[in-house]
Amino acid sequence: EPEVTQTPSHQVTQMGQEVILRCVPISNHLYFYWYRQILGQKVEFLVSFYNNEISEKSEIFDDQFSVERPDGSNFTLKIRSTKLEDSAMYFCASSSETTDTQYFGPGTRLTVL
Amino acid sequence: DQQVKQNSPSLSVQEGRISILNCDYTNSMFDYFLWYKKYPAEGPTFLISISSIKDKNEDGRFTVFLNKSAKHLSLHIVPSQPGDSAVYFCAASLNYGGSQGNLIFGKGTKLSVKP
Repeated sequence: EPEVTQTPSHQVTQMGQEVILRCVPISNHLYFYWYRQILGQKVEFLVSFYNNEISEKSEIFDDQFSVERPDGSNFTLKIRSTKLEDSAMYFCASSSETTDTQYFGPGTRLTVL
Repeated sequence: DQQVKQNSPSLSVQEGRISILNCDYTNSMFDYFLWYKKYPAEGPTFLISISSIKDKNEDGRFTVFLNKSAKHLSLHIVPSQPGDSAVYFCAASLNYGGSQGNLIFGKGTKLSVKP
């Protein structure tokens, strides 16, 4: 069964450093998303992406964040200058035009020291 | 800003009995609802969904009920199995089909099914 994959599973970085989180969505999906979950809190929407552009973004997704689909398979989330409060699980999700359901990857645990 | 609320942080049920997980929402414009199951250190796994034009959807042991007038939905698992022990998230979307609408999640309910 096709699934969303994410790398790395755990990323540790120093405050102020740039990180790139990678995702490979399900191959025939056209809509891509990033969510995050801070420990003990809800899963929160960050951004959605369709047809090579951002469809929607939350107020969390400020200028420090960017997304890119550099090739036909990868979807990345970049945080330019990480802050302590960026420490969270980051989930990538994808959906197709027919399934109406978002399928999530296993997540990347980001720890900012 | 809790548009989707799961008021029970935990639920404990005996194996073989019914588990009922509840979810309330405040935005009457939500038109698509989903339940996800999550194990520790894993991503949310899709379980079942329902659109606002329906009041019930069933898939095997899982049934979701939607009461639009009460802005309430529930997930029934019967019979419950120990492998069902996980955190269950309710999520809602403003577009039919989450393809374009972002999902708004509840805080989750931790279900424990005891043998």
